[in-house]
Amino acid sequence: QQQVKQSPQSLIVQKGGISIINCAYENTAFDYFPWYQQFPGKGPALLIAIRPDVSEKKEGRFTISFNKSAKQFSLHIMDSQPGDSATYFCAAKESGSRLTFGEGTQLTVNP
Amino acid sequence: NAGVMQNPRHLVRRRGQEARLRCSPMKGHSHVYWYRQLPEEGLKFMVYLQKENIIDESGMPKERFSAEFPKEGPSILRIQQVVRGDSAAYFCASSPADRGIAGYNEQFFGPGTRLTVL
Repeated sequence: QQQVKQSPQSLIVQKGGISIINCAYENTAFDYFPWYQQFPGKGPALLIAIRPDVSEKKEGRFTISFNKSAKQFSLHIMDSQPGDSATYFCAAKESGSRLTFGEGTQLTVNP
Repeated sequence: NAGVMQNPRHLVRRRGQEARLRCSPMKGHSHVYWYRQLPEEGLKFMVYLQKENIIDESGMPKERFSAEFPKEGPSILRIQQVVRGDSAAYFCASSPADRGIAGYNEQFFGPGTRLTVL
């Protein structure tokens, strides 16, 4: 049972554009929502994370928007750069437990 | 401050052999998680361990797979009698015992072990 659904599967944007990746979850016990960035051949690296009592969190060019009532959250990458080309995973976590990952979005930023 | 270390980075085994994957958590971290990533897929949780204890193994296949995190030394994920379907990247993550400023036990991932079964 897929508890975190992520879309789109792949995304191509032009340099300077906005990249938007969406996730939806089912388990209302989730209380922590991180996003991970993964380059080929590397392990996932934590990018930014949010708690459900906050509707938005911004760190540099990366913003998470969170809609608790809709059980959805999204990652926005402003001024996308070719170096942002990677696979992005949303995840969700219950307190003191493991991460449940989305299926991933392969982002390509064209120069 | 070294991150999570995994070895080997690449492992090739023939069907029926055993695979042993090692994970050394970040300094000061006492929680270890193992995840498996099949090609073109997301990471799937396998097992969560603390020193000398298995906390949650609900994602681990019932047969052939085992994990341990001894009092001394790295965590070990062992796969016996490997089959081609075991070919995947296996990632270890570690977290501290306390929740820190963020209020959560943030997980930090290692570079993974890529297992190929011939």
